[in-house]
Amino acid sequence: EIVLTQSPDTLSLSPGERATLSCRASQSVSSNNLAWYQQKPGQAPRALIYGASRRAPGIPDRFSGSGSGTDFTLTISRLEPEDFVVYYCQQYTTFPWTFGHGTKVDIK
Amino acid sequence: QVQLVESGGGLVKPGGSLRLSCAASGFSFTDYSMLWIRQAPGKGLEWVSYINSNGGAVYYADPAKGRFTISRDNAKNSLFLQLNSLSAEDTALYYCAKWNYGADSWGQGTLVTVSS
Repeated sequence: EIVLTQSPDTLSLSPGERATLSCRASQSVSSNNLAWYQQKPGQAPRALIYGASRRAPGIPDRFSGSGSGTDFTLTISRLEPEDFVVYYCQQYTTFPWTFGHGTKVDIK
Repeated sequence: QVQLVESGGGLVKPGGSLRLSCAASGFSFTDYSMLWIRQAPGKGLEWVSYINSNGGAVYYADPAKGRFTISRDNAKNSLFLQLNSLSAEDTALYYCAKWNYGADSWGQGTLVTVSS
């Protein structure tokens, strides 16, 4: 099973700042089969990024994904108030598919 | 637009069973693989199971193997998850999701509570 480790657990920033979230895999995620999701309180998650770097339809361009192999990053270029929520990465290169434990972005 | 509506959750005793359903609309259900993903109260997301578009390929997370069964009825645009031998560790909100190189649409979930 591929274990995904997200860091940090919590990221404290101010609106307008840049957020950098990390997702590290215990083994290589081939074909960059990695996705990022955002979850707001009381809501279902929504897809932000797939294929490590491709934005899902309707996702603002302040969200970007990068990385390959075992190290992936979600960057939010300028934090808006609605971005202070939880983010998860997920690998879909090998079954069982797995999620990271999440990074919470909160207001400093 | 895409709509996924889960049902079938509830309170069940340890060792009991439930059958979850997910009614899909707004897209060509027969063209897409589907997932079940769960989230225990206050915890993160956990992938549970996958089924391909024609139901010929299914996969499970280790905690689900031998106890859960995923299936679909393409004629009725419906996805199912049979849960057997439930334990307290299975208490969670169960989401169905449409797979398209990412879980690009999610339902609102159905809550399963396992307690005596």
